[in-house]
Formats: sequence, structure tokens, C-alpha cells
Amino acid sequence: DAGVTQSPTHLIKTRGQQVTLRCSPKSGHDTVSWYQQALGQGPQFIFQYYEEEERQRGNFPDRFSGHQFPNYSSELNVNALLLGDSALYLCASSPSTGGFYEQYFGPGTRLTVT
Amino acid sequence: AQRVTQPEKLLSVFKGAPVELKCNYSYSGSPELFWYVQYSRQRLQLLLRHISRESIKGFTADLNKGETSFHLKKPFAQEEDSAMYYCALEGSGNTGKLIFGQGTTLQVKP
Repeated sequence: DAGVTQSPTHLIKTRGQQVTLRCSPKSGHDTVSWYQQALGQGPQFIFQYYEEEERQRGNFPDRFSGHQFPNYSSELNVNALLLGDSALYLCASSPSTGGFYEQYFGPGTRLTVT
Repeated sequence: AQRVTQPEKLLSVFKGAPVELKCNYSYSGSPELFWYVQYSRQRLQLLLRHISRESIKGFTADLNKGETSFHLKKPFAQEEDSAMYYCALEGSGNTGKLIFGQGTTLQVKP
């Protein structure tokens, strides 16, 4: 099991563009959470997907949206990119049985907005 | 407001010295608290959670509700403990929504 995988590893976008980041959860996990980690900061919760629906949402604007597929993989979409969206985006998966707290993190996608 | 504060960005100790990484939280209710760790070139991973009361890799953390703290301690630091440590809080209701502190880099010198 490769654990949580994310793609791409890094990418560069221009202000105003749109971006899609992808995440495959650890085998046996059905819940995916997304975090944004700015340089020098701790991860900030964006939202969580379970049973193909957004279950929890952090304090992020509607420009941030997501999706979960039947195979539990997930996408994070960000529209109208701002310079401040430059960050490491982390995906974490967890099993719904036994609690959502133990989250397994992926390596992250480094997004740079110029 | 739910908040986690780690007052030290960097903690540098010598091998064999005791370690205490500080974490204070703000939450009205019964929080679940965790320590996550990120070793160099590795992923963020769970180190321990307060409810299990375990000692992992020699680290322990006690929840002090009176002082709203959850400090991470180890009596004798090892060089392999050098890493970034994040304290995290989960609101009640088993939500899986983790609120992280800013992190503390622990540097253990030989």
C-alpha cells in the first residue's frame, strides 16, 4: 500500500487561473480531508469528504471546492487563484469506522501562484 | 474560538537532555488533543493522542484542562527526535476536523 498519494507534486499557475489537485486515499479509508499549509504555518483545514459529500468545511471561500468519487479518491479545485493561495496542499485520509481522528497524510502538492 | 498555540518556533537541546514542547489550546468543551510529527523528508504522522495515554517513542503528553495545555515531554532526547512537531485539536463530535498549531522545530544536538 503506497499510502495516500497526491498529484501533481508541484505546479505553477498564474493569478486568476483555476487549478485541480488530486488525492487517492490509503487503502481501506473512505474519508478525505484537505488542508492548506502556508510557509511557516501549521496545516489549516479546508474541508472533508465522506460518502461523496462535503461533511465539514473550514473557513475558506467558495473559490475552494471539492469532489469525492465512488472509489473514495478526491479532488480539490481552486478558482480565480490569488497570490495568497500559494501553499502546500495536504490531503489526509481516515477510516470512518473507529473515528476520523487518525489522519494519514499525503506528501502534498506545492502550488505557486505568480 | 478554537485555537492551538505553540509558543516556540524552535527548541534546541543536547542529546540526553529533557524535552518539553509547549502547547496551549482554546476550546469551550471537551477537546481531543493530538501531537503530530514530521521527520525530515517524511509525511506528517500521528505521534500520540491524549485519550490513549500512551507513551510513544518515549514521549508523553498530559492534558491539563485547568491550564488548557497539552505539553509534549520526553526525559532524554535522542538525535532521531529532531523533527517538526504540531499540536492539534479536534472539536467534539468526532468530526475529524483538526486545528493545528504553528509547529515547533525540535533540534537535538549531539
